Amino acid sequence: DAGVIQSPRHEVTEMGQEVTLRCKPISGHDYLFWYRQTMMRGLELLIYFNNNVPIDDSGMPEDRFSAKMPNASFSTLKIQPSEPRDSAVYFCASSPPGGVNQPQHFGDGTRLSIL
Amino acid sequence: DQQVKQNSPSLSVQEGRISILNCDYTNSMFDYFLWYKKYPAEGPTFLISISSIKDKNEDGRFTVFLNKSAKHLSLHIVPSQPGDSAVYFCAASAGNNDMRFGAGTRLTVKP
Repeated sequence: DAGVIQSPRHEVTEMGQEVTLRCKPISGHDYLFWYRQTMMRGLELLIYFNNNVPIDDSGMPEDRFSAKMPNASFSTLKIQPSEPRDSAVYFCASSPPGGVNQPQHFGDGTRLSIL
Repeated sequence: DQQVKQNSPSLSVQEGRISILNCDYTNSMFDYFLWYKKYPAEGPTFLISISSIKDKNEDGRFTVFLNKSAKHLSLHIVPSQPGDSAVYFCAASAGNNDMRFGAGTRLTVKP
């Protein structure tokens, strides 16, 4: 079975540009999570969805960040406008139905560099 | 607000010896704890978990210990192998899907 698929794997862009990260969760999983990994703060939860509905977006750092899940097989994380401090690795993860405490399955991440 | 802390950024052990990775948490509502392993350029992968109703869970070479009174858990790897070299993340949740991760500990197992 295919795991969580993220694209692009690497993104380099200039400050002020719009950045869109994409994620395809594992088929049948109904939870989807977006994380950001930095050296200083480790893995931070940004937002998560259940059945395509955003449940908790309290980790989204600023209004420049937005996330959508238009259907069960696709989600986007958008940064507009981007800033150098947004440079990090962004991970998407999904987990199956069955309530809480299900281990999450991570994609390989998008390494984002804002110049 | 770091509710899950891994105070050792790195750990180096000799092949065949025991690796002990530590994790502390501050939120007494956490009731489920997990360890993930991460190789470079890959996402974290689930390794082992423990519920707060237990104090030990074992899976092959990997054992997780939970001390609720001290709000501390540890991951033991015995015997350590070079392929275990990776970054290990501790994570905790409070009965929901809001999982909090530590900053990670980089384990190096030397041949």
